[in-house]
Amino acid sequence: GAVVSQHPSWVICKSGTSVKIECRSLDFQATTMFWYRQFPKQSLMLMATSNEGSKATYEQGVEKDKFLINHASLTLSTLTVTSAHPEDSSFYICSAGVFGEKLFFGSGTQLSVL
Amino acid sequence: DAKTTQPPSMDCAEGRAANLPCNHSTISGNEYVYWYRQIHSQGPQYIIHGLKNNETNEMASLIITEDRKSSTLILPHATLRDTAVYYCIVSGKLIFGQGTELSVKP
Repeated sequence: GAVVSQHPSWVICKSGTSVKIECRSLDFQATTMFWYRQFPKQSLMLMATSNEGSKATYEQGVEKDKFLINHASLTLSTLTVTSAHPEDSSFYICSAGVFGEKLFFGSGTQLSVL
Repeated sequence: DAKTTQPPSMDCAEGRAANLPCNHSTISGNEYVYWYRQIHSQGPQYIIHGLKNNETNEMASLIITEDRKSSTLILPHATLRDTAVYYCIVSGKLIFGQGTELSVKP
């Protein structure tokens, strides 16, 4: 079945640095990808919707200059956490699919900012 | 965008059927209902989805009411490995609610 690959699985970085997370649809073309973050013992919170070839749509309260999303191709979307701080430490998850078909999630990226 | 409501937790005996309800009373006509489950520190795993008709696959069955305002996920013979948080979401914006924490007990 279709798979969404997310990389890296975990990353530790120093405060002030930027971190890029990749989300790839391996055997299908995804015009839309979604980015979520999840804090311990909480549900997934939608951050933004990434559309191929256009600007991402951010949810209320999510800083677009802080979380840069690029969806340059039908199989790749990236989330860059710029100038990361400890409060950005979280589990980040992407998803991709085709409307009306299965929607798949990546395995997630655990970000720890020191 | 449609929101979903689920009970926060449920218990089920191993080998018995687990019936997980979900309310999505504001669902639109072209929105699908998706079910996922998540085990700690992993990405959500797809289970099943449907629009109007009941659906069945190797993992579960999905029963959608005629008015489409609610649905039930059925795990026919729950095992200990089915212990997870189960999420019901509606296509469109894919907003996650709090989900149901299912505990399958021996």
